[in-house]
Amino acid sequence: DTGVSQDPRHKITKRGQNVTFRCDPISEHNRLYWYRQTLGQGPEFLTYFQNEAQLEKSRLLSDRFSAERPKGSFSTLEIQRTEQGDSAMYLCASSLKFLSRGGEKLFFGSGTQLSVL
Amino acid sequence: TQLLEQSPQFLSIQEGENLTVYCNSSSVFSSLQWYRQEPGEGPVLLVTVVTGGEVKKLKRLTFQFGDARKDSSLHITAAQPGDTGLYLCAGDNAGNMLTFGGGTRLMVKP
Repeated sequence: DTGVSQDPRHKITKRGQNVTFRCDPISEHNRLYWYRQTLGQGPEFLTYFQNEAQLEKSRLLSDRFSAERPKGSFSTLEIQRTEQGDSAMYLCASSLKFLSRGGEKLFFGSGTQLSVL
Repeated sequence: TQLLEQSPQFLSIQEGENLTVYCNSSSVFSSLQWYRQEPGEGPVLLVTVVTGGEVKKLKRLTFQFGDARKDSSLHITAAQPGDTGLYLCAGDNAGNMLTFGGGTRLMVKP
């Protein structure tokens, strides 16, 4: 395993089109996160999975966004009817959550840069 | 709304200078992490601080967690061009996701 892999690296689409991104986490990691990052800002939490269960979604995640993690392995993030405001870097991260103290260590992929024209 | 405020937002310095960036919040965090991000890449974890007052060193980088676990600082000694990047702090409130600050964009000129 070389790390978290995201595909595609770049996506250009027209407003109103649907797009889907894929994330392959580090294989033994049970948690998978999606974040969105706009230029000059820090990442904003969108949603996360523990194994195949989607446990939390941000208010940022409108009805046009849906994420899945079938079988608790890879995950997909779909955006329907894209808008120009959806243009951002979409980051995936994975971690192995322990119950012990010490903070959760997230390993990020290189992201998918979405441009909506 | 970002719960973590980072300052300064931008910093441009000459090679060899020292610098400190700050991460402040009104919330208490069970731990705080610092990441570095280069253009077109995801953030990479540098360090996690857990105990109030804790100081950790990573070569020329010194990280400190405030006594009340609400703030943190990152000090870089003798900055090098390779230190250029976006430095992000992220707080873990023992919930289910990290909250990131807005970042400090550092440029070190040779």
